[in-house]
Amino acid sequence: NAGVMQNPRHLVRRRGQEARLRCSPMKGHSHVYWYRQLPEEGLKFMVYLQKENIIDESGMPKERFSAEFPKEGPSILRIQQVVRGDSAAYFCASSPPADPGELFFGEGSRLTVL
Amino acid sequence: AQSVSQHNHHVILSEAASLELGCNYSYGGTVNLFWYVQYPGQHLQLLLKYFSGDPLVKGIKGFEAEFIKSKFSFNLRKPSVQWSDTAEYFCAVNRATDSWGKLQFGAGTQVVVTP
Repeated sequence: NAGVMQNPRHLVRRRGQEARLRCSPMKGHSHVYWYRQLPEEGLKFMVYLQKENIIDESGMPKERFSAEFPKEGPSILRIQQVVRGDSAAYFCASSPPADPGELFFGEGSRLTVL
Repeated sequence: AQSVSQHNHHVILSEAASLELGCNYSYGGTVNLFWYVQYPGQHLQLLLKYFSGDPLVKGIKGFEAEFIKSKFSFNLRKPSVQWSDTAEYFCAVNRATDSWGKLQFGAGTQVVVTP
């Protein structure tokens, strides 16, 4: 059973460009979570999604950030008009329906904004 | 502000030494507690979790943690570490009032075990 797959692993963008990060959950997992890790800090929750639904977006910045988990395909975290402060590691996690509290993490996508 | 605090940012110890990593949280009410580990170059993995019941929880690779409600603590222990335990360790808390999977993480403790 393949783990949580994230791509790209590394992404470089210039200020003002868009960044799209993708996450394929583990097989059979229907819950997806996005976390952000800034340098020297712990992971910060951003959003929790189930297929076609945003369940909890209390950690998402109000502007420029959006997330989706369509019926088919990976979950996407989209950052519009990136700024230097968006440089971070973005981690995706998934969990099975029967045990939504146990998270399985991907290896992360590292975004660098020049 | 409500938070999760890990007492040490870096710990260096020799093989066979005992390890204890502190974790305190400041939330009132019911919580679920976790320790995650990230080995070099790998993804975060769950070491152990506490939801309810026996406050002494045993996890993988010989790790255990004790929940002390009165102290808002969930310290991680291993009696005798190995070189392969070199990793970063994260404590995390899920408040029962939050959605599943919404974890508050500590800043992590980098543990280096020397041969």
